Amino acid sequence: GDSVTQTEGPVTVSESESLIINCTYSATSIAYPNLFWYVRYPGEGLQLLLKVITAGQKGSSRGFEATYNKETTSFHLQKASVQESDSAVYYCALGEGMGYKLTFGTGTSLLVDP
Amino acid sequence: AQTIHQWPVAEIKAVGSPLSLGCTIKGKSSPNLYWYWQATGGTLQQLFYSITVGQVESVVQLNLSASRPKDDQFILSTEKLLLSHSGFYLCAWSQGALAEQFFGPGTRLTVL
Repeated sequence: GDSVTQTEGPVTVSESESLIINCTYSATSIAYPNLFWYVRYPGEGLQLLLKVITAGQKGSSRGFEATYNKETTSFHLQKASVQESDSAVYYCALGEGMGYKLTFGTGTSLLVDP
Repeated sequence: AQTIHQWPVAEIKAVGSPLSLGCTIKGKSSPNLYWYWQATGGTLQQLFYSITVGQVESVVQLNLSASRPKDDQFILSTEKLLLSHSGFYLCAWSQGALAEQFFGPGTRLTVL
């Protein structure tokens, strides 16, 4: 079946430092799945951060970026300069056709030190 | 604007007791609906999805069932809870296949 592997947390970064959360995927039922990053801020629900549906394209939101790399089957999340408000749990996910199923990674807890 | 509401917010139940969790989506016609579950420390797993009223497909067998009695309502239930049912249950909706899914606030279930 499909699977998503992402950086194990917790990850602690100082404010204004750069961040990368790794995500690699394995999709068995579809050649080019849709790829997503979801985020759960403290006390809030799970929300979409960014998505990319075309291999080779880059998605961006709130200063975060992720590029869909089909050669390395990766979708790493990056930010050049994190803020304390970025502290949250980040989930990488892939979407495949049958059942419109999202397969999630285990989540990466990010703590940004002020 | 679309809103998604889940009830209850949290539930503490005894092993062997019945369970019913609900989800309502307002402001969207004929959405695809989904139930997800996350055990403490575990990964979010899709349990069920529904494309239309009255039709529900099971993705993972956890001794749970789901129903969609109305276009905007999705119900998750079981007649006998197990300890392993504890966790966080999320309802989600999307418009169309491979579209992004939007999640509700979730229900925290503790089975004792």
